[in-house]
Amino acid sequence: DARVTQTPRHKVTEMGQEVTMRCQPILGHNTVFWYRQTMMQGLELLAYFRNRAPLDDSGMPKDRFSAEMPDATLATLKIQPSEPRDSAVYFCASAQGGGQPQHFGDGTRLSIL
Amino acid sequence: RKEVEQDPGPFNVPEGATVAFNCTYSNSASQSFFWYRQDCRKEPKLLMSVYSSGNEDGRFTAQLNRASQYISLLIRDSKLSDSATYLCAVNYPGEPLVFGKGTRLSVIA
Repeated sequence: DARVTQTPRHKVTEMGQEVTMRCQPILGHNTVFWYRQTMMQGLELLAYFRNRAPLDDSGMPKDRFSAEMPDATLATLKIQPSEPRDSAVYFCASAQGGGQPQHFGDGTRLSIL
Repeated sequence: RKEVEQDPGPFNVPEGATVAFNCTYSNSASQSFFWYRQDCRKEPKLLMSVYSSGNEDGRFTAQLNRASQYISLLIRDSKLSDSATYLCAVNYPGEPLVFGKGTRLSVIA
């Protein structure tokens, strides 16, 4: 079964540190999404790419978050500097195109102390 | 962003019961609809797509009501293992899927 792969699965670090999360989408999927999920907010879309081009990152705090897709097999989400309020589960998902179902990775559980 | 609304629950039902959730959406031009299941501390997993003609998969039935702009998920003969959060997702034209915040289901022995 093809899966979206995310690393790391867990990350605990101190505030002010840089955090980088990585995602390998399903082969052949041209659309990649980054979400953040907390108990209070549900799934929040942070950014997404189609054919490696960023289409929308309006859900992301621009001053500290950045998302890139250096090649078709790798998407990254970076937080610098991290803050305790960034603690959440970050999911990556991929899809074959707009309107198609998204398939999620296992998520990165991030705790900022 | 466009809104997708779900009753957060929790729905507490006994084993064997039939339970139904609705999900309302705000844009009549929406084209694709899905139900996802999310277990505690896990990722959302696609449960089923929702077609205009309805969709049935075993004990699960999904339906679309375009006139009233909602989709529904019916679970028959509930099992303990059905306990999870069920998220609906709606595609607005030109935009990625918008997810509801989910409905929590607890099936009780």
